[in-house]
Amino acid sequence: GAVVSQHPSWVICKSGTSVKIECRSLDFQATTMFWYRQFPKQSLMLMATSNEGSKATYEQGVEKDKFLINHASLTLSTLTVTSAHPEDSSFYICSAAGGFNNEQFFGPGTRLTVL
Amino acid sequence: GNSVTQMEGPVTLSEEAFLTINCTYTATGYPSLFWYVQYPGEGLQLLLKATKADDKGSNKGFEATYRKETTSFHLEKGSVQVSDSAVYFCALKNQGGKLIFGQGTELSVKP
Repeated sequence: GAVVSQHPSWVICKSGTSVKIECRSLDFQATTMFWYRQFPKQSLMLMATSNEGSKATYEQGVEKDKFLINHASLTLSTLTVTSAHPEDSSFYICSAAGGFNNEQFFGPGTRLTVL
Repeated sequence: GNSVTQMEGPVTLSEEAFLTINCTYTATGYPSLFWYVQYPGEGLQLLLKATKADDKGSNKGFEATYRKETTSFHLEKGSVQVSDSAVYFCALKNQGGKLIFGQGTELSVKP
């Protein structure tokens, strides 16, 4: 299947700082990328959907000013957690979709720890 | 609305045992159904899928059949291995193209 990468795989930051997470589709063009958040031993919760060149669509309850999403090209989307706080600590997973059947391929995830 | 319910874990089995992880769904229309697997510290990988009623998805010895009459998509494997230890997520894709996940079922296979 298609390959989706995320960088970094883990990050530790101080409270109040901003953190950027990259999601790349390595061997296909992703017309749509999705960002999920996963708490320990829980399911994935969709945060937002982004289409290349347009603004992201956020799910209810997700603060768009706190979780900035940019999808500037067909192979790259970024999620910036602004002014991070300990409650933002989580596992963030992106997926990318494109091609004939628009199947989603998932990245390996980024573990964010805010001290 | 759309939702997916999985049996609670953790599920602990001995190697070569038979596995069933139950999954039921609620949806409008006719969603596609999926099973994803997440190994420790990794992202999700698609295990199998079915796009219409009575379809059977299969991969790596795992199977699941799309049952419209019982709104179910139970995951089965005849003989599990230690390497199958992971968290398994059932999911549906709704009419808007979004994936809706169940809560996940942790499987632990002991040698």
